[in-house]
Amino acid sequence: DAGITQSPRHKVTETGTPVTLRCHQTENHRYMYWYRQDPGHGLRLIHYSYGVKDTDKGEVSDGYSVSRSKTEDFLLTLESATSSQTSVYFCAISESRATRWAGELFFGEGSRLTVL
Amino acid sequence: AQSVTQLGSHVSVSEGALVLLRCNYSSSVPPYLFWYVQYPNQGLQLLLKYTSAATLVKGINGFEAEFKKSETSFHLTKPSAHMSDAAEYFCAVSDQILVEKLTFGTGTRLTIIP
Repeated sequence: DAGITQSPRHKVTETGTPVTLRCHQTENHRYMYWYRQDPGHGLRLIHYSYGVKDTDKGEVSDGYSVSRSKTEDFLLTLESATSSQTSVYFCAISESRATRWAGELFFGEGSRLTVL
Repeated sequence: AQSVTQLGSHVSVSEGALVLLRCNYSSSVPPYLFWYVQYPNQGLQLLLKYTSAATLVKGINGFEAEFKKSETSFHLTKPSAHMSDAAEYFCAVSDQILVEKLTFGTGTRLTIIP
């Protein structure tokens, strides 16, 4: 299994509070992603990173920010959580096409966030 | 932007019957296409991928998919369903410019009837 650890795995918080989810990898992969999974919507990309301090928005980035200060860590922050951000969040990693890209994303086990 | 459409959010088949999960993509240029599987309370894992080599792609657990450019389809099949195939399946397509960025479909939940 790819070395991806998400923390926390479960969190319940209240509307308006800040929340940070952490993704840690031991694979030294260049790309890291945050997706959210919701019934009827599948997985939607929030933000992704293509290197240290290099990030870009996905299709549902409003209300979220990210940071990547080290290759192995990718943080997702909800500055002021809302009930619509109740979801399961998945981190994923991949190599780049320029190196050993095999076209595969490796996923963490997910972080379930409930915003009351 | 690339997108995929999965027809049928729920599919039920009897054990031993053919599994057919449908996926159509929108693209003017043949992209990279993927099928992922998600078992309960787990992350996704790759079943198979099309990366412009053979159009018939074989994956793990007896699954295969055929890339049909004329139909913009990439349907997933398995000749004989097994109880352990019960899961949610996602089709995904790569971005045309940044191939490492994938867009996923809405998923198909497969139920196997004993």
